Amino acid sequence: AQSVTQLGSHVSVSEGALVLLRCNYSSSVPPYLFWYVQYPNQGLQLLLKYTSAATLVKGINGFEAEFKKSETSFHLTKPSAHMSDAAEYFCAVSDRTSYDKVIFGPGTSLSVIP
Amino acid sequence: ETGVTQSPTHLIKTRGQQVTLRCSSQSGHNTVSWYQQALGQGPQFIFQYYREEENGRGNFPPRFSGLQFPNYSSELNVNALELDDSALYLCASRAGGVNTEAFFGQGTRLTVV
Repeated sequence: AQSVTQLGSHVSVSEGALVLLRCNYSSSVPPYLFWYVQYPNQGLQLLLKYTSAATLVKGINGFEAEFKKSETSFHLTKPSAHMSDAAEYFCAVSDRTSYDKVIFGPGTSLSVIP
Repeated sequence: ETGVTQSPTHLIKTRGQQVTLRCSSQSGHNTVSWYQQALGQGPQFIFQYYREEENGRGNFPPRFSGLQFPNYSSELNVNALELDDSALYLCASRAGGVNTEAFFGQGTRLTVV
């Protein structure tokens, strides 16, 4: 069965500092991997997704993530945090036989300190 | 704005009642998925509809049911509401084909008392 773990339910960074949000997955077949952001009282917005092309995936708002099969990881990074990045971030996985059955991690709440 | 609209935005129901939540997909999207997001947790997949047929289901009991209409709008019905059904319910729609992006609505906040 597929699953997603996100290390750290809360992460705080200073404005301008590196953002690193960790995600590890388990999947018996090559996965699709996603990062979503959720602002308060809103739905989910896709930041980026991995679908077996380049292992380094660039997304919106300056975020990127690297797929590392040997580590079963898909960590999200951004070189310089902005105040507007404060939100809840979800890593998610689906497999190639059931693309829409997306399994989400528990989420990481990112705070940006001025 | 994602073009996916959900109604109502908030709802309070009593335990044992039934509820219907609605989702209007983005134009041209024939696939819709529903998720339950309990407070402080990630969304959980309920089911997916493709061209009016259920095409995948998560670990939810049969009292969670759905419909998709010819215009691809969708409903989520929950019977015999329980307190644990209190959550944000999200729908997401996408166009058919491989790897197309799913767009989420803002959700319906259901409170069961």
